[in-house]
Amino acid sequence: DTAVSQTPKYLVTQMGNDKSIKCEQNLGHDTMYWYKQDSKKFLKIMFSYNNKELIINETVPNRFSPKSPDKAHLNLHINSLELGDSAVYFCASSHYGQKNSPLHFGNGTRLTVT
Amino acid sequence: AQTVTQSQPEMSVQEAETVTLSCTYDTSESDYYLFWYKQPPSRQMILVIRQEAYKQQNATENRFSVNFQKAAKSFSLKISDSQLGDAAMYFCAYRMDSNYQLIWGAGTKLIIKP
Repeated sequence: DTAVSQTPKYLVTQMGNDKSIKCEQNLGHDTMYWYKQDSKKFLKIMFSYNNKELIINETVPNRFSPKSPDKAHLNLHINSLELGDSAVYFCASSHYGQKNSPLHFGNGTRLTVT
Repeated sequence: AQTVTQSQPEMSVQEAETVTLSCTYDTSESDYYLFWYKQPPSRQMILVIRQEAYKQQNATENRFSVNFQKAAKSFSLKISDSQLGDAAMYFCAYRMDSNYQLIWGAGTKLIIKP
């Protein structure tokens, strides 16, 4: 009964390829997020969706395209992968509008671009 | 703009002893939430404890407690009776009242010496 699950756990690919990471939550949350964690462990918000609507879109290359088919799913597609895209990508979810609602994270996807 | 500062990149403590991780933040908001998350080597992000700014009583979760000083904008995490399993990166986060986005600190790596 995993709360936030993302797949794959590891992704190794070559420069120029296109890849996707999938995320699903069964917590009944209405908001989902994508974070990027770099090699120095710094967490950076990329996108956030509330009820399938994009509400946060930070300065991210347009090679990154999120897609939320419903409020329980948020996928991340990355085109033309670059070496600098290597990082751990976390999906998370929460209740929007509830300040005390913590983020629940998936286990992360380690992306390695060679 | 809101910022969160964790001034200790790394801390170490002897097993069974007490350690305090510091976190300061800058905000003009009066009501907000603060969180501590733990990221062990497994890379999973785990909520440790949370505190509402309007509550004067410091939050406690078993061996974890906070020292919340609102006027000083300080939110330190105290870990009592440190255990080997406490070894992890610890992140402090502030939830904005305006759009519920989390602002993250850079993290503190906690090392437990056996």
